[in-house]
Order: sequence, then C-alpha cells, then structure tokens
Amino acid sequence: GQNIDQPTEMTATEGAIVQINCTYQTSGFNGLFWYQQHAGEAPTFLSYNVLDGLEEKGRFSSFLSRSKGYSYLLLKELQMKDSASYLCAVRPYGQNFVFGPGTRLSVLP
Amino acid sequence: DTAVSQTPKYLVTQMGNDKSIKCEQNLGHDTMYWYKQDSKKFLKIMFSYNNKELIINETVPNRFSPKSPDKAHLNLHINSLELGDSAVYFCASSPAGLTYEQYFGPGTRLTVT
Repeated sequence: GQNIDQPTEMTATEGAIVQINCTYQTSGFNGLFWYQQHAGEAPTFLSYNVLDGLEEKGRFSSFLSRSKGYSYLLLKELQMKDSASYLCAVRPYGQNFVFGPGTRLSVLP
Repeated sequence: DTAVSQTPKYLVTQMGNDKSIKCEQNLGHDTMYWYKQDSKKFLKIMFSYNNKELIINETVPNRFSPKSPDKAHLNLHINSLELGDSAVYFCASSPAGLTYEQYFGPGTRLTVT
C-alpha cells in the first residue's frame, strides 16, 4: 500500500520562506503532485514532479527525491493569502491518486 | 466559464434516504473522479471513470454508485444514507494519461441527520 506523511500544521510570517515536507512509501509512481486547498474550497493544482530535482513556478517550488521517498514544497515571499492546506499526492503505478493528510499553513502578519 | 461544476452545493437529508450528486466538466477531459473529504480533511478517492468505463473502483460500500451518461458527466448515487456518509464530496477531471493534474469541482457538503 501507500503511506504519505506530512506535518499537520505549520506557522510562518508574512514575507518569509516556508518548506512543507512530504514523505511517502510506495514501490513506484507516475508522479508526485502538490495541491493547495483554502478552507471551504476545492483543491487546486500547484506543481508536479516526475524526475528528481527542483521544479520552480514563481513563488512556489517543489522538490523530489525518489531514492529517499521525499518531497517538499517551498513557498517564498509568503503572503496572507497563502494560508491554506497543502496536499501532497502520488499516483502509484496502475493505481489512482493517493493524497496525504495535508499540512495546514497559517501565515501571520 | 465554470470548468467543473457540481450540484447541489449543500445537501441535508435523513438516514435511509437515497440521493444523487451531479457533476459536469466542460474541459473535454477523458477521465473523471469522485472524492470524499471527511471531517479530518482527508481526501480519499472513491471512483474514477475513463471514457464512460470504470477503470478503478476503490473499496467503497456498494451503496455508492457512479453513473456516467456521457464523457462530460459523472453523477454519484448514494442509497440508504448513513450518518458516516456526512462529508464533502468533490468531483474532479483530468486529461487522459498519467501525468496530468486534476481539476476539482467546488464540492458538495452532504449532511446526514
């Protein structure tokens, strides 16, 4: 089976940088995804990694290490609107998406 | 234009009733999904459909049944509702292929009393 772990909650200050980690156990997968979900809203896609390394997308970057079963989402120049839950998800071979429990990020002024 | 839409947004009903949630996507995607998000905010896939065929059926009670009249629609029927069915249900869609992200609908908050 698959097991995905993320910190439950994190707090950071406006303008700072925060790193949200995701660890997983799966024998193989087609890709690792990060989604953002504001309270009471639907998840929205942030980034995708299939190869090891860093993918940069504006203020958001995502890193993947397949050998270590590890990914992180890096958020720079934090804004108040970044307060949300961040969900890590994998798509194991031959299976459908599996989402992690999510990390609730609070950005303080 | 709304990409993935769901109706109703809120649904309050009593135990034992049968209800349906509708989902439509205008993105031309080949695959659609239903997810359940419980009170602990855990997002768990229930079904996925590719070109009107069920491709993966997760271990959900058979009281839940997806119905896809065409590629743009995937409705969720729930029979004999139970208290534990209370959750937010999200519909999603994605292009065919394994590397594409999903686009989620706004969600339907189901409350069973």
